[in-house]
Amino acid sequence: EAGVAQSPRYKIIEKRQSVAFWCNPISGHATLYWYQQILGQGPKLLIQFQNNGVVDDSQLPKDRFSAERLKGVDSTLKIQPAKLEDSAVYLCASSRDTGELFFGEGSRLTVL
Amino acid sequence: GESVGLHLPTLSVQEGDNSIINCAYSNSASDYFIWYKQESGKGPQFIIDIRSNMDKRQGQRVTVLLNKTVKHLSLQIAATQPGDSAVYFCAENNNNAGNMLTFGGGTRLMVKP
Repeated sequence: EAGVAQSPRYKIIEKRQSVAFWCNPISGHATLYWYQQILGQGPKLLIQFQNNGVVDDSQLPKDRFSAERLKGVDSTLKIQPAKLEDSAVYLCASSRDTGELFFGEGSRLTVL
Repeated sequence: GESVGLHLPTLSVQEGDNSIINCAYSNSASDYFIWYKQESGKGPQFIIDIRSNMDKRQGQRVTVLLNKTVKHLSLQIAATQPGDSAVYFCAENNNNAGNMLTFGGGTRLMVKP
């Protein structure tokens, strides 16, 4: 079974630029999550999707972050404009409805 | 807000010794707890979980203990190996809140040969 796929693995941008990350969950997993992991900290949930609907986005900075999962499979996370403090690893995870979360390897963002 | 935290940021053990990683949680509504292992450059990997109706669960070389009275969780690794070197996170889940995990800050385990 293929795992959660994420791209790009690494991205370096200047502040105020935009960036997008892509996630392909495990086949059949209805729930998809985006986490932000700042260096030295635990992952923090940004947004959770159930199929193509948002379950929770209370910790998503909506003035600059957006995410979508239009067809209930792949998802994109966008940051525009980026700030220095957005430097982090962005982890995508998927699960069946209430089961174990499987994480991708993450997309490491550096904002200069 | 309520959160999950860890007592020790770094733990150094000798290869072959047992390791104990601790975690405190504060959300009394949490009913499911998970330990994750994260190696450098990789995403967190599930190790073991425990539900709130249990106080102990054993895996192949790992044991998780849950003390709901003092809201404490621990991960015990028997005969620690160099491959166990990683950052370990505990996470809590309240299934009434839609299967959302809240992670603690992590403990780095370093295994000396």
